[in-house]
Amino acid sequence: SQQGEEDPQALSIQEGENATMNCSYKTSINNLQWYRQNSGRGLVHLILIRSNEREKHSGRLRVTLDTSKKSSSLLITASRAADTASYFCATDEYSGGGADGLTFGKGTHLIIQP
Amino acid sequence: DTEVTQTPKHLVMGMTNKKSLKCEQHMGHRAMYWYKQKAKKPPELMFVYSYEKLSINESVPSRFSPECPNSSLLNLHLHALQPEDSALYLCASSQDRVGNEQFFGPGTRLTVL
Repeated sequence: SQQGEEDPQALSIQEGENATMNCSYKTSINNLQWYRQNSGRGLVHLILIRSNEREKHSGRLRVTLDTSKKSSSLLITASRAADTASYFCATDEYSGGGADGLTFGKGTHLIIQP
Repeated sequence: DTEVTQTPKHLVMGMTNKKSLKCEQHMGHRAMYWYKQKAKKPPELMFVYSYEKLSINESVPSRFSPECPNSSLLNLHLHALQPEDSALYLCASSQDRVGNEQFFGPGTRLTVL
């Protein structure tokens, strides 16, 4: 079953604006990660936030985690055309099925208009 | 070297063919993974190979079989696939099995005719 659910599914903004994506999950987690995927390519790790952390920054990225609400948000500030991609949250809590790996949310497709 | 390589980049095969996808990493990672990704969907975990132990997602059909010749290589053998198996197959590795970022390869785009 899908652990993370992103919101919105698609987002189109002007270059220079901030983009916010949200993710919700269902069970307890050890950590939550965000990945970016350019069209049809491999995923690139952006940031990892542990369950005992509330906020984390990396360059133009800011991630928050609210374990009481089982939700996380990814903020990209001062967006650029190169930020156009799909963004996925992922959790590593065991999700059944016999194998432990990342369970990805449905993703948010972000389009930055020049 | 912080790269995961996958070959081939593209593969077209018939339903009676046998083919293999290859994945390699030289980061000394102890866990490697295969994911399947359909268009406009998130990746779904298929297999995990960690500390010489293979874990299988029970929903993966037996026409997919992983093989780990050594700690740097993880192959995926394909046999008698169906058209619905057409997808992007992603390999990843991580330092350990849980709690670490995963490094992904560029993927193999598979088309089954």
